Amino acid sequence: AQSVTQPDIHITVSEGASLELRCNYSYGATPYLFWYVQSPGQGLQLLLKYFSGDTLVQGIKGFEAEFKRSQSSFNLRKPSVHWSDAAEYFCAVGEGGSYIPTFGRGTSLIVHP
Amino acid sequence: DGGITQSPKYLFRKEGQNVTLSCEQNLNHDAMYWYRQDPGQGLRLIYYSQIVNDFQKGDIAEGYSVSREKKESFPLTVTSAQKNPTAFYLCASSGSQETQYFGPGTRLLVL
Repeated sequence: AQSVTQPDIHITVSEGASLELRCNYSYGATPYLFWYVQSPGQGLQLLLKYFSGDTLVQGIKGFEAEFKRSQSSFNLRKPSVHWSDAAEYFCAVGEGGSYIPTFGRGTSLIVHP
Repeated sequence: DGGITQSPKYLFRKEGQNVTLSCEQNLNHDAMYWYRQDPGQGLRLIYYSQIVNDFQKGDIAEGYSVSREKKESFPLTVTSAQKNPTAFYLCASSGSQETQYFGPGTRLLVL
C-alpha cells in the first residue's frame, strides 16, 4: 500500500525567504503526486500535480515541485514566501485506477514579517 | 462556476441526534468522497462513491452513513452511534486520475 510522509509538522520562515516543504512517498510504480494548500477553516485547494513527463512541475501561486524517483520525494518549493502563504500544506500520492489518494499529515507553514 | 458546495458551514448536534451534511458538485465527476479532519491527524476517509447508487466504506465509517442517489449529490449522515463527532468534514470529488477537488467544509460541533 502507498504511504506519504511529511517529516516537518511546522515550518517557520521569514517573509521573502525561500521555502521547501518535504514529502516522501512509498509506492512501487510511478505514482500520481499532488500538493494541496488549506487556509484555516477552508477546504483544500490543489496547488499542483505530477502524473508523468517533466519532473519539475509548476503550480499556482508561484509554487513548484520536483519529482525525484531515486529519493521517492516530491518536495514543494517557492523562491520568495509571502505572508499570505501561511497555511497548512498537504502532500498526497495516488496509484492509477484506485481513485483514492493517500494524504500526508500536513505541514503547517508560519510566515514571520 | 463549477465547483463543490457544502452546507451548512457550521452544524450543531445534540446528544442522540442524527445530522446530515450536504455535498453537491456540478463538475460532472463520477467519484465523490467524505473526509474527517481532526487537528494533527490529517484527512481520514469516511466513505467514497465511484458511481451512482454505489458506495464503499473508508477507514473510519463506523457511526456514519451515506447515499448516492444522484451523480451531483453525496450527503453524509452522522448518526448517534458516532460518539465523537466534533470535527471538520470535507467533501471532495474527482473525475479522473485521482485529482480531487474539495468543498469548503462543514464544522460539526456537539452541544
